[in-house]
Amino acid sequence: EPEVTQTPSHQVTQMGQEVILRCVPISNHLYFYWYRQILGQKVEFLVSFYNNEISEKSEIFDDQFSVERPDGSNFTLKIRSTKLEDSAMYFCASSGRPSSGYTFGSGTRLTVV
Amino acid sequence: KQEVTQIPAALSVPEGENLVLNCSFTDSAIYNLQWFRQDPGKGLTSLLLIQSSQREQTSGRLNASLDKSSGRSTLYIAASQPGDSATYLCAVGLSNTGNQFYFGTGTSLTVIP
Repeated sequence: EPEVTQTPSHQVTQMGQEVILRCVPISNHLYFYWYRQILGQKVEFLVSFYNNEISEKSEIFDDQFSVERPDGSNFTLKIRSTKLEDSAMYFCASSGRPSSGYTFGSGTRLTVV
Repeated sequence: KQEVTQIPAALSVPEGENLVLNCSFTDSAIYNLQWFRQDPGKGLTSLLLIQSSQREQTSGRLNASLDKSSGRSTLYIAASQPGDSATYLCAVGLSNTGNQFYFGTGTSLTVIP
């Protein structure tokens, strides 16, 4: 069964550093998403991406965050200057069409120290 | 804003028991609803997807129902097994434009051998 692949599985970074989280969505999917889950809390929406542009973003997704689909297969989330409160599990998801639901990756655990 | 609540927050049952997990949402104008399973520290595995026009979906020992007008969905697990122990999340999508899912708070299920 097709999978969404995320790398790395765990990343530790110092506060103020830039991080890039990588995702390879399912190849024929058109909609891409990033979510995050702070330990013990709900899964929260960050951003959705369709047709090479952001279609929706949450209040969390401020100027420190950006997304890119650089080469037609990867989908990346960049955090420019990490803060302690950015520590969370970050999930990438993709969808072929809105009615087909999401497929999630296994996540990247980001720890900011 | 859509609020999604799951009751109970935690549930412990003996192996073999049938059980029901509940999900409620405040805005009944949903497009679809998806149930996920999350193992500790892991990603989200899709279990069942229900479109707004459907009343229920079944997969093996799992059955999910949807009552849009009352803002409720249930996940029924038959003949529970220790391997079913996980957190179960429901998520609702509001539109056919592929935008965000709103996640519930989750139910942590423990099946005791």
